[in-house]
Amino acid sequence: RKEVEQDPGPFNVPEGATVAFNCTYSNSASQSFFWYRQDCRKEPKLLMSVYSSGNEDGRFTAQLNRASQYISLLIRDSKLSDSATYLCVRFDSNYQLIWGAGTKLIIKP
Amino acid sequence: SQTIHQWPATLVQPVGSPLSLECTVEGTSNPNLYWYRQAAGRGLQLLFYSVGIGQISSEVPQNLSASRPQDRQFILSSKKLLLSDSGFYLCAYKDTGEQYFGPGTRLTVT
Repeated sequence: RKEVEQDPGPFNVPEGATVAFNCTYSNSASQSFFWYRQDCRKEPKLLMSVYSSGNEDGRFTAQLNRASQYISLLIRDSKLSDSATYLCVRFDSNYQLIWGAGTKLIIKP
Repeated sequence: SQTIHQWPATLVQPVGSPLSLECTVEGTSNPNLYWYRQAAGRGLQLLFYSVGIGQISSEVPQNLSASRPQDRQFILSSKKLLLSDSGFYLCAYKDTGEQYFGPGTRLTVT
């Protein structure tokens, strides 16, 4: 079983809709989590950290459910520019980050 | 502010040829540095990480090697490339938990 799993998608969503996807992890001792965004043929870029209490940044909301061992990303009022692959990552130590393979999101006009 | 540079941006190399990719970081000292590879349509595969000069940890046994000759310089090398070495190579540094990536090198082995 992979340590971090994501639905690869693609999620095809109309512009303006709300979309959410999850990322499950297998190590209950995981300390920190992040969401990254990767555009086609570009490097991943940090979207937001995920805090235990949940956090929001504009149209984006990230949540952590430790009991069920998943994190989620919610995007409200989706824009065409939100089309990308979203990667989740868990951070367990000073050196190791474990990456999911990503969920591809396509926003359609 | 910190910046991270990688070069070259793209590279086409024949099978059996050597490889050297360079990564440098500015604006920080003693960063943790990482090399990843991403095959087409796949996730990130951690290849090497380094917590200091001359300190390299390898995550995946293969025909690649890494070196850190200076605090903010990280080099990925190979003596003989394989077809399977094709991919998108990303260097990253870690800052307070988050990782930040360079622009990457797209390597095609022919």
